[in-house]
Amino acid sequence: GDSVTQMEGPVTLSEEAFLTINCTYTATGYPSLFWYVQYPGEGLQLLLKATKADDKGSNKGFEATYRKETTSFHLEKGSVQVSDSAVYFCALSSDYGQNFVFGPGTRLSVLP
Amino acid sequence: DTGVSQDPRHKITKRGQNVTFRCDPISEHNRLYWYRQTLGQGPEFLTYFQNEAQLEKSRLLSDRFSAERPKGSFSTLEIQRTEQGDSAMYLCASSPWAGEAFFGQGTRLTVV
Repeated sequence: GDSVTQMEGPVTLSEEAFLTINCTYTATGYPSLFWYVQYPGEGLQLLLKATKADDKGSNKGFEATYRKETTSFHLEKGSVQVSDSAVYFCALSSDYGQNFVFGPGTRLSVLP
Repeated sequence: DTGVSQDPRHKITKRGQNVTFRCDPISEHNRLYWYRQTLGQGPEFLTYFQNEAQLEKSRLLSDRFSAERPKGSFSTLEIQRTEQGDSAMYLCASSPWAGEAFFGQGTRLTVV
C-alpha cells in the first residue's frame, strides 16, 4: 500500500539556520503531496501542497518540490524562526483522494 | 463557516464504558475522514465517508468502533467497551472532491 517515510526527529536548529526535512513516498499512480504542521495543542494545518510532478509548493517561506523520479517531497526553509517550532508531517493522497497517508512526523525546535 | 468542529475536545472515561464523538465538517465538503493519533506518531487512518456512504475502513477499526454520517452532514464515531489502548487523539478532517484535508482540533480520549 501507499506509505510515507520522513526523517526522524527531533531536529534542533538555531534561529536563521537552514532547514531541510526529508520525505519520500511509495504510491501507485500519481498522488498529491502535502506538508502539514502541528503546533503544540493544536490540530493539523496545511502548510503547502503539490499535485503533480515538478510542482513546487510554497508558503510562509517554506518550499517543497514534487520529485517523481526520486519519489521525494523534501521540505526546506532558508531561515527558520523560533515560531516555526512544531511537528511537521509529510502526507500523500492517492489519485482518487480516498485516503490521506501520513508520515510519522518530525519535531522541529528552533532556539533563539 | 469556521472550519471543522469536533466535540468534545477532551473526554475521560472508565474502561468498559462507551464513548461517542461528533464531527461537523466544512459544509460544502463531501468527504469526511476519521484518524487516530497517538503521542509522537502521525495520524493513522480509521475510516472515510463520501457523503453518507462509508467507503473505506481501516483494519485498526475493530468491531468495537463504529462511525456514521447520516444525511452526509455531521459524523459520529462511537467506541464501545473502551480499553486503555484506545487512549489517543481522534481527529476528524473534511475535504472537497479533490484537494487537501482540513482538520479539526481533535478529541483527546483518556481511558482510565
